[in-house]
Amino acid sequence: QSVLTQPPSVSGAPGQRVSISCTGSSSNIGAGYDVHWYQQLPGTAPKLLIHGNNNRPSGVPDRFSGSKSGTSASLAITGLQAEDEADYFCQSSDTSLNGWVFGGGTKLTVL
Amino acid sequence: EVQLVQSGPEVKKPGESLKISCKGSGYTFATYWIAWVRQMPGKGLEWMGIIYVGDSDIRYSPSFQGQVTISADKSISTAYLQWSSLKASDTAMYYCARNRYGSGSFFDFWGQGTLVTVSS
Repeated sequence: QSVLTQPPSVSGAPGQRVSISCTGSSSNIGAGYDVHWYQQLPGTAPKLLIHGNNNRPSGVPDRFSGSKSGTSASLAITGLQAEDEADYFCQSSDTSLNGWVFGGGTKLTVL
Repeated sequence: EVQLVQSGPEVKKPGESLKISCKGSGYTFATYWIAWVRQMPGKGLEWMGIIYVGDSDIRYSPSFQGQVTISADKSISTAYLQWSSLKASDTAMYYCARNRYGSGSFFDFWGQGTLVTVSS
């Protein structure tokens, strides 16, 4: 049971837009901590995708964007491509655990 | 180029000890925190603990406190994760990741992972 809740799976056709939610609580996202997103391609290590709610590291396409409101956050992917098929994880900090927490991950399937 | 290179896969028996490593390069290793993250087969990511390499200040997740030991040797830019007595439930992929403070606290570079298999 992960501290941050994500849908197990989402899907979309090439070119479409998909959104992945990440729900926390008053001890993490709701406490004002930023949300970060990671992409894990099959058989590889996670890669930083979005940091500080909506900041893309160099090299990440602007098709990826993030937002945060209250105790939740979202990752949006527009212009879906086959290469986007991967697992996506949200991450924040948590005052109760005095550490870092992740979502359970969402598997994105490109139809 | 920042790189974290982890030691190779391990196959161990229950009760055995193990120490895996994570060697950093391309940046000043001692001035960052390095975290360890577990990913059990087909599951999500779990933060295990984190060490500030410069002075070996360590924090453990409550779920892993007493189960593992994190350490580092700044002279060789290497962080370690060790077990004194492995269990079958320790079978997982283990990642090290560099912690970055900027727009929040996140992990900007990751090792390639070390697969640990514990089986009798």
